[in-house]
Amino acid sequence: AQSVTQLGSHVSVSEGALVLLRCNYSSSVPPYLFWYVQYPNQGLQLLLKYTSAATLVKGINGFEAEFKKSETSFHLTKPSAHMSDAAEYFCAVRTNRDDKIIFGKGTRLHILP
Amino acid sequence: EPEVTQTPSHQVTQMGQEVILRCVPISNHLYFYWYRQILGQKVEFLVSFYNNEISEKSEIFDDRFSVERPDGSNFTLKIRSTKLEDSAMYFCASSPRAGGTDTQYFGPGTRLTVL
Repeated sequence: AQSVTQLGSHVSVSEGALVLLRCNYSSSVPPYLFWYVQYPNQGLQLLLKYTSAATLVKGINGFEAEFKKSETSFHLTKPSAHMSDAAEYFCAVRTNRDDKIIFGKGTRLHILP
Repeated sequence: EPEVTQTPSHQVTQMGQEVILRCVPISNHLYFYWYRQILGQKVEFLVSFYNNEISEKSEIFDDRFSVERPDGSNFTLKIRSTKLEDSAMYFCASSPRAGGTDTQYFGPGTRLTVL
């Protein structure tokens, strides 16, 4: 069975500072990994996904994530936070054996002025 | 850009009543899903639907739950005999293909409150 753990339900960073949201996965078969973002009163929007083509994945809005098999991690980063990045971020996993997506509990990102 | 829409945005019902949550998936998508998120908890898979049949369902999706695609555009989730613990945000999603790397596109959700 697959699972995802997101460390930190709330993360606060200053505007312009590095954003790092942590995600560790567990999967018995090669995983596909996703980061979704949810802005207030909106649906889940795909930020980026790892499909085994490249370990460093670039997404929308300047975000990127690196797949590290040895660490079973898929942390999300952005070099410089912007106020508009304040949202909830969900890490998720899926495999070729499953159609459903398994989500983490989410991390709410707060941007401090 | 095409998007998944859901109505209503907020539904309040009395325990024991029936509710129908509605979704309009992206028009050329063939695979449809419902997920839910109880406040403060994970987003959880409920059911997947393809070719007018349920493909997979979770343990949460008990006999009180049903899904239907009554016409070419809508995809509904019906909950009969609602319970307090059904209170959650319900997300609909759709995808052009199933599995692997294909993206599931999510709607904004319906917040269900059971009193």
